[in-house]
Amino acid sequence: DTEVTQTPKHLVMGMTNKKSLKCEQHMGHRAMYWYKQKAKKPPELMFVYSYEKLSINESVPSRFSPECPNSSLLNLHLHALQPEDSALYLCASSSLFYRDRGDEQYFGPGTRLTVT
Amino acid sequence: AQSVTQPDIHITVSEGASLELRCNYSYGATPYLFWYVQSPGQGLQLLLKYFSGDTLVQGIKGFEAEFKRSQSSFNLRKPSVHWSDAAEYFCAASSFQKLVFGTGTRLLVSP
Repeated sequence: DTEVTQTPKHLVMGMTNKKSLKCEQHMGHRAMYWYKQKAKKPPELMFVYSYEKLSINESVPSRFSPECPNSSLLNLHLHALQPEDSALYLCASSSLFYRDRGDEQYFGPGTRLTVT
Repeated sequence: AQSVTQPDIHITVSEGASLELRCNYSYGATPYLFWYVQSPGQGLQLLLKYFSGDTLVQGIKGFEAEFKRSQSSFNLRKPSVHWSDAAEYFCAASSFQKLVFGTGTRLLVSP
């Protein structure tokens, strides 16, 4: 099974709201990722968790707060977002077998976020 | 800096015709290389990957790609395109868990 699931599929939130995106994988992968994708652009890496620890933060604003409760789950907590944060948020996971060069990543279907 | 280039923003192919999507990379060493496909509003699906060994790699949905070190290329091919192949295609390279994507090529399939 190479499935990564994400909830919700769609989310509309105001700039003062607090919400969370959730991601789950059951492939035994030990690395999980958050990406942001704007229309007609490739995904942009936001965060990487390796063995449930944050290993990469691509200088993402603090209004985005990631959390990895266990090896299967990844959350992205959202607070005080701006309209320009509206995008497709993708979660991915991978093994860490070829950690130095990077294993293939498996993506979820994404959460379409709209900030009003 | 490491980079991946997809020179074609969009390509139109007739259904049943062959397809080649171009990808060039610029890395210090040979990276791991991937092709992903994305349908509108969906996540990315891995088509195939190249780590080492045989330079012609087979993927899902009848796709294949050829790695050419001398040209720093990893082009995607399919002998006969189906209407359902219409999507956005991303070439990517990885290093230390970071995927570097090309800008993507939108494939349109005409009847």
